[in-house]
Amino acid sequence: KQEVTQIPAALSVPEGENLVLNCSFTDSAIYNLQWFRQDPGKGLTSLLLIQSSQREQTSGRLNASLDKSSGRSTLYIAASQPGDSATYLCAGSNAGNNRKLIWGLGTSLAVNP
Amino acid sequence: DAGVIQSPRHEVTEMGQEVTLRCKPISGHNSLFWYRQTMMRGLELLIYFNNNVPIDDSGMPEDRFSAKMPNASFSTLKIQPSEPRDSAVYFCASSLVTENQPQHFGDGTRLSIL
Repeated sequence: KQEVTQIPAALSVPEGENLVLNCSFTDSAIYNLQWFRQDPGKGLTSLLLIQSSQREQTSGRLNASLDKSSGRSTLYIAASQPGDSATYLCAGSNAGNNRKLIWGLGTSLAVNP
Repeated sequence: DAGVIQSPRHEVTEMGQEVTLRCKPISGHNSLFWYRQTMMRGLELLIYFNNNVPIDDSGMPEDRFSAKMPNASFSTLKIQPSEPRDSAVYFCASSLVTENQPQHFGDGTRLSIL
């Protein structure tokens, strides 16, 4: 059974710092791994999707990696800004039911000016 | 372009009442998902539809919950009778049914059962 864990639960950094958010999963037969952002009182916004055949995806200041052998994904945020403050969630799906996402509880990020 | 639209945004009702949550997916999307989010359990998938057909409802907590998708542009999630433990934020999301497509979320309905 796939389980997704995110550590730390909360993170506070000064503006401009590069940071890494971690996501671990228990079943290496992962179909894809997705990173989402959630702002308070809002829904989730998809940031990056990494297919099982890929190692990483990049969008602007964001880079997400996937290492199936170690059961880990990381989201790298370069030159963090106060506008990056939000909760970041990762979710994985398995080949047996690739439409069903298994979610971590998220990392709450605060970027301080 | 309009995103996923959910209504109402907030609902407060008394225990035992029927609650109906509504969702309009993005036009052209043919997969629709209902989620529940709580502090303790995070996001949980309740049910999803492909082309208006329920595919996986294993996450529906009990018979008090039901979901329908009568057409490609509308879905409902109903709770009858409601209980205080149903209090949560309920999200609807839609996507294309083709593989490796991201899900697009509505802003959710915050439900409080007194």
